Amino acid sequence: GAGVSQSPSNKVTEKGKDVELRCDPISGHTALYWYRQSLGQGLEFLIYFQGNSAPDKSGLPSDRFSAERTGGSVSTLTIQRTQQEDSAVYLCASSSTAHNSPLHFGNGTRLTVT
Amino acid sequence: AQSVSQHNHHVILSEAASLELGCNYSYGGTVNLFWYVQYPGQHLQLLLKYFSGDPLVKGIKGFEAEFIKSKFSFNLRKPSVQWSDTAEYFCAVNARPLSGSARQLTFGSGTQLTVLP
Repeated sequence: GAGVSQSPSNKVTEKGKDVELRCDPISGHTALYWYRQSLGQGLEFLIYFQGNSAPDKSGLPSDRFSAERTGGSVSTLTIQRTQQEDSAVYLCASSSTAHNSPLHFGNGTRLTVT
Repeated sequence: AQSVSQHNHHVILSEAASLELGCNYSYGGTVNLFWYVQYPGQHLQLLLKYFSGDPLVKGIKGFEAEFIKSKFSFNLRKPSVQWSDTAEYFCAVNARPLSGSARQLTFGSGTQLTVLP
């Protein structure tokens, strides 16, 4: 596709359930980022993948959050035992290089934990 | 660690007014600077960027930003705003990498701009 694709676009889940959010980056982009955007907040960095390097997980808020990127392409962000404070829009972005190329964002997944 | 501050959380202007949104960053080294915009119901998109050279950079839709190294600032400007400029604006910075280290892009908290027709 032409842009970054995220699925689902909306997800409503009950507190305590696990959820998986998917990101399909632009083909050929080596860098992939996950951010979280909460109401009234800015973009909170979660995790960053660059090629075959070890991911930068420094932004993950707790051990309930994890992410993987298979084959250097599709990425999945998993939130275990969801809490209400996890409700946010989860944004994925990719770029052609890590450091001096702009990010291309997907439309995000709006997660609501009830 | 790098950080980005956007001091204006919500700016309301009338059409044709001039705009300046503040952005300050903290990092002692060389940085790449960006402004992203998110129009209502749309995804984030790049407005303009600065890597090196002329500190006054021009972006899409008549926007420009000036990098002032001594002030650690990268303010966004537009001489005459339009109703269609209503959006949320995010400043972002990433540091030029050291060898072998991965760097993240750090965003400010965003400024909501509302332009009244």
